[in-house]
Amino acid sequence: AQSVTQLGSHVSVSEGALVLLRCNYSSSVPPYLFWYVQYPNQGLQLLLKYTSAATLVKGINGFEAEFKKSETSFHLTKPSAHMSDAAEYFCAVTPTLNSNSGYALNFGKGTSLLVTP
Amino acid sequence: DTGVSQDPRHKITKRGQNVTFRCDPISEHNRLYWYRQTLGQGPEFLTYFQNEAQLEKSRLLSDRFSAERPKGSFSTLEIQRTEQGDSAMYLCASSSGNQETQYFGPGTRLLVL
Repeated sequence: AQSVTQLGSHVSVSEGALVLLRCNYSSSVPPYLFWYVQYPNQGLQLLLKYTSAATLVKGINGFEAEFKKSETSFHLTKPSAHMSDAAEYFCAVTPTLNSNSGYALNFGKGTSLLVTP
Repeated sequence: DTGVSQDPRHKITKRGQNVTFRCDPISEHNRLYWYRQTLGQGPEFLTYFQNEAQLEKSRLLSDRFSAERPKGSFSTLEIQRTEQGDSAMYLCASSSGNQETQYFGPGTRLLVL
């Protein structure tokens, strides 16, 4: 089964600093990859997704991610962190459409981003 | 488009009791997913509906769990004889047609005492 690994369960950055959250996937074929953000006691909000089009994907709130097949990575970045970016971030993978499971997502364990003043 | 809604948002129950959660997907979304998220973990897939048909169930979905989507619109997830290990956030998501993007509801947080 396809899976993702998120390196670093906690990441701390200063306000205004670069944000880098790491995600590596395991897949024999190019999958669909997603980054979701979760604020406390809320559901998940889609930040961006890779669906085999452009390898550099731009999302909401200034985030972007680059699909690198050679490194099996899909790291999330943001040039300048804001206090409001503090949240839990999840990388997820799904294969192409499966008639039985649709696009059921396999999530990483998440990375908690702390932004300090 | 009012988004995915879930009810209740919070549920506290005693071990051994039955609980039922409801999910209302985005209107006309034919695909509906349930996930479970325990503290400090990512969501884990439980089950998938395409219209009213339940096409996939994870091995995480024990016999005490049952899900329905009777008219292809809202869905319910029932847990019978709850155990403390069932304490988690239960998330519902929906998508339409061949779109791979899932839209998540706010979740139902279950605490089993």
